[in-house]
Formats: sequence, structure tokens, C-alpha cells
Amino acid sequence: DAGITQSPRHKVTETGTPVTLRCHQTENHRYMYWYRQDPGHGLRLIHYSYGVKDTDKGEVSDGYSVSRSKTEDFLLTLESATSSQTSVYFCAISESPAGGTDTQYFGPGTRLTVL
Amino acid sequence: AQSVTQLDSHVSVSEGTPVLLRCNYSSSYSPSLFWYVQHPNKGLQLLLKYTSAATLVKGINGFEAEFKKSETSFHLTKPSAHMSDAAEYFCVVSDRGDDKIIFGKGTRLHILP
Repeated sequence: DAGITQSPRHKVTETGTPVTLRCHQTENHRYMYWYRQDPGHGLRLIHYSYGVKDTDKGEVSDGYSVSRSKTEDFLLTLESATSSQTSVYFCAISESPAGGTDTQYFGPGTRLTVL
Repeated sequence: AQSVTQLDSHVSVSEGTPVLLRCNYSSSYSPSLFWYVQHPNKGLQLLLKYTSAATLVKGINGFEAEFKKSETSFHLTKPSAHMSDAAEYFCVVSDRGDDKIIFGKGTRLHILP
């Protein structure tokens, strides 16, 4: 299994509070991604990173921000959590960019509940 | 623009019988296609991928898929289902012209004893 960890694994928070999820990799892969998974929607890309301090928006980026200050860590922040952000969040990594032939490797997920 | 459609949200088969999970795609360029599996409360694991080499792709756990360009399909099959195959399966298209990957909505496979 690729060395990807996510923390926390479960979180319950209240509407309006800030939340930060962490993805940590030991594979030294350049590309990192945050997805959310909701029933009936598959996985949707929130943000991705193509290097330290280099990030870009995905399909569902509103309400989320990211940061990557080290190769191994990619943080996802909900500045002011809303109930619509209740979801399971997955981090993924790859050596080359999406759109190619490379495989993405996924972390175990973080289940976030916003009350 | 690329897209992917998984034609069944749920599939039920009896243990020991064949599995067929259907996936159609659209892509403007030469696509790469993937199948991932997600067991309950787990992350996603790659089953197999097509990257313009052989059109019949073999994956882990006895699964295989055939890329059919004329039908824009990439259906996943297994000759004999096992109880451990019960999971959700995602078809994914990756388009070199678009720098993105797109997930299907998933097919949940149920195995009946």
C-alpha cells in the first residue's frame, strides 16, 4: 500500500467552525489531490497540488482552501464549515499529473460531519 | 470534454456466477481508463487500467476489462464471483488533453450466497 495517511479519520464539528484535514505521504510523489465522496456522486475533485506551494482548483472548490508547504503534506481547510460539507474526504497522490496514464493512490479517508 | 457513465448503480449476483459491471465513456483524445474498488469504510484501490496497449486488460483478484473504442465502453468482468468481491466499483476516465480525471458515480456489487 502507498504510504498515505489522513488525520483525523473522523471529525464532528459545528456549523461555522474552521476545520483542517491533513494528508501526509511518504512516497515523495509530486501530485496530491483532495476529493470528496458523496452518495450518488462518486468522487469529485476539490483542489490539487502539483508541487510545493503550487495548487489549483478542482470541480467543487467553493468553501475550501488548501496549502502545501512541504512535499509530504497537503492540508485542506474549511474556513467556516457548513452542513453541505458533511462528506467523506479522500486524499490521493500520483507521480505524474492526472490526465495521463499514471495511477492515483488513495488514503483511507476522513469522515466529516458538520452539525 | 470527457465523461463517464456507469450504467448500473447496483448489481446483485450469486456467488460463483459471472460479474459484469458496465461503463461507457466519452473522451476527446486518447483516454486512459481505470477501475477502482472500494470496500466498506476503506479507501480506493486500483483494480486495473487501460493505457492504449492491449485492449483486454487483466487486473487483480481475477477481474478483467475490455476497451472497445467503437462502443466507447470499458466493462469490468469476472468469471466467478466471490463473497469478498462485495464492494463499490468506480470507472474512471483520464484524458491527456484535459489534465483531469473523472469518476463515475459507482456501482455497488452485492454477492448473494
